[in-house]
Amino acid sequence: GAVVSQHPSWVICKSGTSVKIECRSLDFQATTMFWYRQFPKQSLMLMATSNEGSKATYEQGVEKDKFLINHASLTLSTLTVTSAHPEDSSFYICSARTRRTYTGELFFGEGSRLTVL
Amino acid sequence: AQSVTQLGSHVSVSEGALVLLRCNYSSSVPPYLFWYVQYPNQGLQLLLKYTSAATLVKGINGFEAEFKKSETSFHLTKPSAHMSDAAEYFCAVSDRDNQGGKLIFGQGTELSVKP
Repeated sequence: GAVVSQHPSWVICKSGTSVKIECRSLDFQATTMFWYRQFPKQSLMLMATSNEGSKATYEQGVEKDKFLINHASLTLSTLTVTSAHPEDSSFYICSARTRRTYTGELFFGEGSRLTVL
Repeated sequence: AQSVTQLGSHVSVSEGALVLLRCNYSSSVPPYLFWYVQYPNQGLQLLLKYTSAATLVKGINGFEAEFKKSETSFHLTKPSAHMSDAAEYFCAVSDRDNQGGKLIFGQGTELSVKP
C-alpha cells in the first residue's frame, strides 16, 4: 500500500514553455502532498506543501507564480513550471502522507526529471 | 528549529563489510526519525523509522538504526554490505507534535560498495 506515482518521468521542453507534472496517490487518499526539488548530488529541497482544496504553502524563496501547485482531489496534485528556463532544470519529487500515518513518514513518487533547453 | 546532520557525504565499504552511516539531529521535542534510500533517477524509499516504540529499529534489506537520545543520534547500520546497497541515503526528522509537519532531510550520504 501507499503507492505514489508521478508522470512524466522525463520531460524535455523549450525555454519559455510550461510543463505540468502530475502526482497521484494510487491506493490511498492524500490530504497533504509535498513537492521537493533535487539538484544533482544534493539533498531534497522542500518547495511547497499542497493541501487538498486549499492554496499551497510555499517555502521561502520559491516563486509561487513560477511553480503553480494544484491539489484538486484527494489523489492528485499537479506542479506546473511556467515559462520554464534552463535554470529550472532539475529532478522534481512529490510525496504524500496518508490519513493513517500518524508518525510522519512520507511516501515518494518516482520523480520527474525536467530538462529545459 | 529542527535539523539533521549526516556526517560524511560519501562512504565507501567493501562487499561484506559493516555499513555505518551517521545521522545526528537537533530537535526541541522527541522527534520522529527516518532513513530513506534513493537509487539513481528514482524517488525515495523508506528504510526504517523511529517513533519511540523501541530504540533499536529494524528496517528492510537488513538495515537497522539505533536511537540514542543522549547522543542525539540515529545512525544506520548493516552488518554485511551487498553491491546492491550502493545508493544515496537520507536521514530525516519530523516534528512529533505536528502530525502534518514537514520532513527535514539531511544532506545525504552516498554509499559505494567495492567488490
